[in-house]
Amino acid sequence: SYELTQPPSVSVSPGQTARITCSGDALPKKYAYWYQQKSGQAPVLVIYEDNKRPSGIPERFSGSSSGTMATLTISGAQVEDEADYYCYSTDNNDNQRVFGGGTKLTVL
Amino acid sequence: EVQVVESGGGLVQPGGSLKLSCVASGFTFSGSAMHWVRQASGKGLEWVGRIRSKANSYATAYAASVKGRFTISRDDSKNTAYLQMNSLKTEDTAVYYCKGGYPYLGNDYWGQGTLVTVSS
Repeated sequence: SYELTQPPSVSVSPGQTARITCSGDALPKKYAYWYQQKSGQAPVLVIYEDNKRPSGIPERFSGSSSGTMATLTISGAQVEDEADYYCYSTDNNDNQRVFGGGTKLTVL
Repeated sequence: EVQVVESGGGLVQPGGSLKLSCVASGFTFSGSAMHWVRQASGKGLEWVGRIRSKANSYATAYAASVKGRFTISRDDSKNTAYLQMNSLKTEDTAVYYCKGGYPYLGNDYWGQGTLVTVSS
């Protein structure tokens, strides 16, 4: 079955840039989506179609994709950005959706 | 205001069945694919399956871990999606989320989840 691979954890100091990667064989042809999930809450979409930001998401969140890797970048990370982040995409046949394993972002 | 509300969770014995419901409002439910996603305690998100709109023939797809045991359906007249879970296993224990909307437009709506516990 199709898999997306993320690092388990990323740690930065407040104001630094955090980068979270997601690798998958279908990413050259399929969009990546990124979710933020804080403890005890439902996930929130922060990036869609590789690099678009939904209304209400701060400009410090951005996304990019090149080849088999998608990247979520948080420029000037803030303490309130501490959360688990998940990439999400589909296999080449558009049948199986999949989440990456998740990356715990620590900002301190 | 958009609302997505799951219900029907609870405690069930291994081998048993349970049917979850997801009622949505505030967006065009009939045109939206509806997905189910689960999360075991302390673990990551796992996509369970989806049902597309009538325009896409109500096509369904499932994760390999639930295929043949779970069935997703919908009733557009009630703005409701369902997840029928049969032959439940202890590893199906999780919070089950329903999500819908139009993520390719940045509109992605989740409920708060309903807890399913499979235990004897």
